[in-house]
Amino acid sequence: GAVVSQHPSRVICKSGTSVKIECRSLDFQATTMFWYRQFPKQSLMLMATSNEGSKATYEQGVEKDKFLINHASLTLSTLTVTSAHPEDSSFYICSADTGTGKYNEQFFGPGTRLTVL
Amino acid sequence: EDKVVQSPLSLVVHEGDTVTLNCSYEVTNFRSLLWYKQEKKAPTFLFMLTSSGIEKKSGRLSSILDKKELFSILNITATQTGDSAVYLCAVEPSYSGAGSYQLTFGKGTKLSVIP
Repeated sequence: GAVVSQHPSRVICKSGTSVKIECRSLDFQATTMFWYRQFPKQSLMLMATSNEGSKATYEQGVEKDKFLINHASLTLSTLTVTSAHPEDSSFYICSADTGTGKYNEQFFGPGTRLTVL
Repeated sequence: EDKVVQSPLSLVVHEGDTVTLNCSYEVTNFRSLLWYKQEKKAPTFLFMLTSSGIEKKSGRLSSILDKKELFSILNITATQTGDSAVYLCAVEPSYSGAGSYQLTFGKGTKLSVIP
């Protein structure tokens, strides 16, 4: 149980285009989903917290107009990287929790590798 | 399908105890195994292991990988209350360039250290 999927697993795009990444909780309802960037051998950087039916809460330094988050249902959150640039190339990971909001009940997706040319 | 299993799921110890956390995996084209500590929302990186039998150490934490038996352990000696966290293990497959690049996370071990 508690499986989180991401799609696509990998995407390559041209600079200036927008890319949408989906995060789905497959067998549970996730009131809250989290979006992270991962850099090699470094900690995951929390970008934003996404709550179903409301606006996402962005961490300091994360541009909300650039990283659009939509949590339209209890099983789906999307991250759209708008007007992507090479510096946005990274590994994006989402996690979902079962609704209590406690960090120790998060389940992680497998990540999406974004390469912007 | 790639799989990572951590055990135990939760653990309660007293300060000063030594703990061993386990991570076993099944993955196609293994590249590395990663350990993270999650206290708040964002997991912090602890170790990356790529070679069997070579212990990585950072203060009271150490970790080792066994690629033959497909597991890794994370040891914490002389535990402190500040070690209380969820410890996550993740496996990274080889990145061939033509295939996908996705991590497989375990469910985590919740460690509670009581005074």
